[in-house]
Amino acid sequence: GAVVSQHPSWVICKSGTSVKIECRSLDFQATTMFWYRQFPKQSLMLMATSNEGSKATYEQGVEKDKFLINHASLTLSTLTVTSAHPEDSSFYICSAPRGTNEKLFFGSGTQLSVL
Amino acid sequence: RKEVEQDPGPFNVPEGATVAFNCTYSNSASQSFFWYRQDCRKEPKLLMSVYSSGNEDGRFTAQLNRASQYISLLIRDSKLSDSATYLCVVTPGSGNTGKLIFGQGTTLQVKP
Repeated sequence: GAVVSQHPSWVICKSGTSVKIECRSLDFQATTMFWYRQFPKQSLMLMATSNEGSKATYEQGVEKDKFLINHASLTLSTLTVTSAHPEDSSFYICSAPRGTNEKLFFGSGTQLSVL
Repeated sequence: RKEVEQDPGPFNVPEGATVAFNCTYSNSASQSFFWYRQDCRKEPKLLMSVYSSGNEDGRFTAQLNRASQYISLLIRDSKLSDSATYLCVVTPGSGNTGKLIFGQGTTLQVKP
């Protein structure tokens, strides 16, 4: 079964609204989680590294004030897309390392469509 | 230049065919190498890790050439269920464990 749960699977929202996506590690603690974005026919691009109890680390070109990341517990990281616009429409997916070899497990992804 | 480059395809092959995918990476300090499989709008799933010595898992064989910074994936006896996008993935030479750099992906369509 899934070890990383991501919700919602898809969301449609109006331009200007905010959308929150949750990523949970189900049976392990994750001090670090990763958030990726994938546009159609393009590769997954790392947006940010979510760190439990501290600020997220954003990749170059990703607006931290637009993509708010909160990692308040060892099993939950959230990504909030603030004031969403149609160009934010994309597939967002989280991942978390688990185990001594830190194998990565992915959430099932969230398809965001902004009208 | 992209950090990980792949031929996006699509590769259209008949069942039973052998197909090979190639990938190059730009950072010579890259540590680890993988092939992932991604079905449409699903999460990527680890297919196999790639080692310099080469490794095989059933119909799948992966090779790494560090000198050329080149990775390959060979699929023998293609099945309809192999139709998917195959992602070449590397980890940076330093920094965050778990940080993955994905190629664009190569789309495979296996036809009856």
